[in-house]
Amino acid sequence: ETGVTQTPRHLVMGMTNKKSLKCEQHLGHNAMYWYKQSAKKPLELMFVYNFKEQTENNSVPSRFSPECPNSSHLFLHLHTLQPEDSALYLCASSQVPFLDGNTIYFGEGSWLTVV
Amino acid sequence: DAKTTQPNSMESNEEEPVHLPCNHSTISGTDYIHWYRQLPSQGPEYVIHGLTSNVNNRMASLAIAEDRKSSTLILHRATLRDAAVYYCIPGSQGNLIFGKGTKLSVKP
Repeated sequence: ETGVTQTPRHLVMGMTNKKSLKCEQHLGHNAMYWYKQSAKKPLELMFVYNFKEQTENNSVPSRFSPECPNSSHLFLHLHTLQPEDSALYLCASSQVPFLDGNTIYFGEGSWLTVV
Repeated sequence: DAKTTQPNSMESNEEEPVHLPCNHSTISGTDYIHWYRQLPSQGPEYVIHGLTSNVNNRMASLAIAEDRKSSTLILHRATLRDAAVYYCIPGSQGNLIFGKGTKLSVKP
C-alpha cells in the first residue's frame, strides 16, 4: 500500500459533468496538497490544507472545489471544466510544522481529460 | 520564494556518476534545499534535502556550497531507472514551489 493513494488514476469527463478526485494518505500527516501539472509546464500548487483547514488557494478558478473532511482524505470536486483543464492532478501530504525540512510525499496522480 | 536555475537537460552514461547543479542565489537563511525527481508518468518523489552540511542517503548525495547559493545533486552510479526530471527546490514551508527542473537522460 503506497503512502498517498489517488483515485481514479484516469478520468475523462465532458464539460458539463461533475466529478471528483479522491486522495487518501496513510502516513499520519496533517497537511495535504493539490498540485496541477499541465503538459510541458512545471507543477502548480493549487490548494494547501493544514489540519483540515485551507491555508492556501493559489487563485484557482471556482470550478475546482477542494474538500478536506479529515487529515487523511482530500477531494477535488470538478464541475463545468474546460478542455485546458486537462492535466495530471497530484495529491501530496506532509507533516507540519515544516521542521527539519520535512518532505512532501506525492501520489501517482490522476490523469484528467476534459472533452 | 527563492529563484532557482537548473540546466534544462543533461545526459549521462549508465554506471557513471552524475552531477546535477542548481543555483539558488536568493535563498533565505532558513530555507532547506530539497531535491525531488519525477519519473515518466509518475508523481514526484523525494530524493534528498539539506540545510548547510553535505548529506548522503541511499539514493544520492547533496553537496551544498558554503555560501548556500548553489548545490549539486550527485548520483554516484547512474542507472537507466534514474532517467527523470530532477527538481531543486529551496524552501522552508510545506508548499514547495517546483520549477522546470533538469531532465536527465541515461544512455546504456
